[in-house]
Amino acid sequence: GEDVEQSLFLSVREGDSSVINCTYTDSSSTYLYWYKQEPGAGLQLLTYIFSNMDMKQDQRLTVLLNKKDKHLSLRIADTQTGDSAIYFCAEVKEGRRALTFGSGTRLQVQP
Amino acid sequence: NAGVTQTPKFRVLKTGQSMTLLCAQDMNHEYMYWYRQDPGMGLRLIHYSVGEGTTAKGEVPDGYNVSRLKKQNFLLGLESAAPSQTSVYFCASNIQGNYGYTFGSGTRLTVV
Repeated sequence: GEDVEQSLFLSVREGDSSVINCTYTDSSSTYLYWYKQEPGAGLQLLTYIFSNMDMKQDQRLTVLLNKKDKHLSLRIADTQTGDSAIYFCAEVKEGRRALTFGSGTRLQVQP
Repeated sequence: NAGVTQTPKFRVLKTGQSMTLLCAQDMNHEYMYWYRQDPGMGLRLIHYSVGEGTTAKGEVPDGYNVSRLKKQNFLLGLESAAPSQTSVYFCASNIQGNYGYTFGSGTRLTVV
């Protein structure tokens, strides 16, 4: 199976919270990342978490890591229309340099 | 402070033609990467480099070659383009020991 898996689509209403989920298979992952991609644009780093952490909060963003289940989530509080984009989960495995990406979750925020 | 710059931004090639994509970074980063992005498949690693004069294969290297003659530049070559290489290509870089990757804005390549 894929190294990193994400659901393809999420739709929320403006002002609600969004939760985007990601599962990974390799327990040797050292860093886990969330990137945002707007239409026609490159990838913007939102946040990352080291594998020995359980949670990281940065303004409206909260990352939760469940190492036992190899599950990573990104919560966006008070979701705005400007948050509409594709969100990629990515990992760096121990001893490697490059990122391994999930297929991305398209977040649609309805006014 | 340009970060990572990719040229060209768009290109249309005919099957069998060759071209080179240029990635340039001004952050003195050791590591550089080439990814391709296809719909529904996320980004997949083509080749990468851990320093000037060194390159290594990634997940999908076939049909591509790379060179890193200068630390700041990482070139991706297509010797004989095929329609299957129609994709958006992203370059990224990071510094040794720092996992903060910086991405370029991408090159949209269409092979007809």
